[in-house]
Amino acid sequence: QQQVKQSPQSLIVQKGGISIINCAYENTAFDYFPWYQQFPGKGPALLIAIRPDVSEKKEGRFTISFNKSAKQFSLHIMDSQPGDSATYFCAARSTGANNLFFGTGTRLTVIP
Amino acid sequence: DTEVTQTPKHLVMGMTNKKSLKCEQHMGHRAMYWYKQKAKKPPELMFVYSYEKLSINESVPSRFSPECPNSSLLNLHLHALQPEDSALYLCASRGTAPEGYTFGSGTRLTVV
Repeated sequence: QQQVKQSPQSLIVQKGGISIINCAYENTAFDYFPWYQQFPGKGPALLIAIRPDVSEKKEGRFTISFNKSAKQFSLHIMDSQPGDSATYFCAARSTGANNLFFGTGTRLTVIP
Repeated sequence: DTEVTQTPKHLVMGMTNKKSLKCEQHMGHRAMYWYKQKAKKPPELMFVYSYEKLSINESVPSRFSPECPNSSLLNLHLHALQPEDSALYLCASRGTAPEGYTFGSGTRLTVV
């Protein structure tokens, strides 16, 4: 049972364009929603994270939008660059729990 | 030091071999994790250590044996592995804040 659903599976975007990756969850106990970026042969690196008490968080070109009532959150990458080409995982965790539930991943390719 | 260091980076082992993976962090994190990641898949949780005690074992076969000698070190002992165990093995640690998940770069394991 996939606790966090992620789409699309792959995404191709032109340089300078906006990349959008979506995630949905069912467990209302989740209260921490991070996004990880992973390059081939490397471990996931925390990109940006949000808690459900805010609807949006922006860090540089990366923005998380959060819709608590719909139980959905998304990552927007503005002005996408070839160096952003990587696999992106959304995740979710509930306070006091020791496990981080990952989405299935989105492979982003930014073409020059 | 804000890193999780994993050694070795690559490991090739036969099905009758015994080997160990090592993970080290000096951030004072008291929760440490082993994840297994197959190609194009999200990380799958294997084990969680909290304050040097095993708190989660996600029904991992006994050919994988974790060990936490102290608060900075985490080992994964491997014995009689199968070719399907070939994967990227990731170590992570977490501080008291949920945002504190830090992943290592992983060990790429190939079982022949």
